[in-house]
Amino acid sequence: NAGVTQTPKFQVLKTGQSMTLQCAQDMNHNSMYWYRQDPGMGLRLIYYSASEGTTDKGEVPNGYNVSRLNKREFSLRLESAAPSQTSVYFCASSDGVQNEQFFGPGTRLTVL
Amino acid sequence: GESVGLHLPTLSVQEGDNSIINCAYSNSASDYFIWYKQESGKGPQFIIDIRSNMDKRQGQRVTVLLNKTVKHLSLQIAATQPGDSAVYFCAGPPPNYQLIWGAGTKLIIKP
Repeated sequence: NAGVTQTPKFQVLKTGQSMTLQCAQDMNHNSMYWYRQDPGMGLRLIYYSASEGTTDKGEVPNGYNVSRLNKREFSLRLESAAPSQTSVYFCASSDGVQNEQFFGPGTRLTVL
Repeated sequence: GESVGLHLPTLSVQEGDNSIINCAYSNSASDYFIWYKQESGKGPQFIIDIRSNMDKRQGQRVTVLLNKTVKHLSLQIAATQPGDSAVYFCAGPPPNYQLIWGAGTKLIIKP
């Protein structure tokens, strides 16, 4: 069991470029999440998917889009990257929204 | 708005002593809380959870206490070890069950 995997691990973008962060889980979990973590801060929820086929906005959704491709995969897209989106991005999954979340190793994104 | 916050940004503890990390929340309707541990460069890792119908829950070397009257919870780590060095987060759900994270408390273990 790999748990939650994220690609890439590191990425540097220029302002205005686009990219997609990939996340996959092999635990057959229904719910998946995208968070960002800025230095010295807690996590902030960007988007989540309570179950396959549904997505909902979290606390900080502006500038992002998500796709729940299937039960295993949940991607996060930055259409036009901005320096304010420099952060570490974590994907997580859980059995249900009120259950323990399992986190991936994170993607460290820098936008110049 | 909703908030879950920690009282101290850094806690230094002698190795072998017990550690207590505190957290406060604002929404009295919150009925589920989780404590996570985040080691440097890694994603958060679940430690223990507690539901509002409980006052106390114990795990391996960890205990979480929930005081609903003052909207406060604490994480107690017994016999703190070097491997306990990390940032600890409490997180709780608003009515729509999204987790809201406190800023974290960094636990430093002194040899």
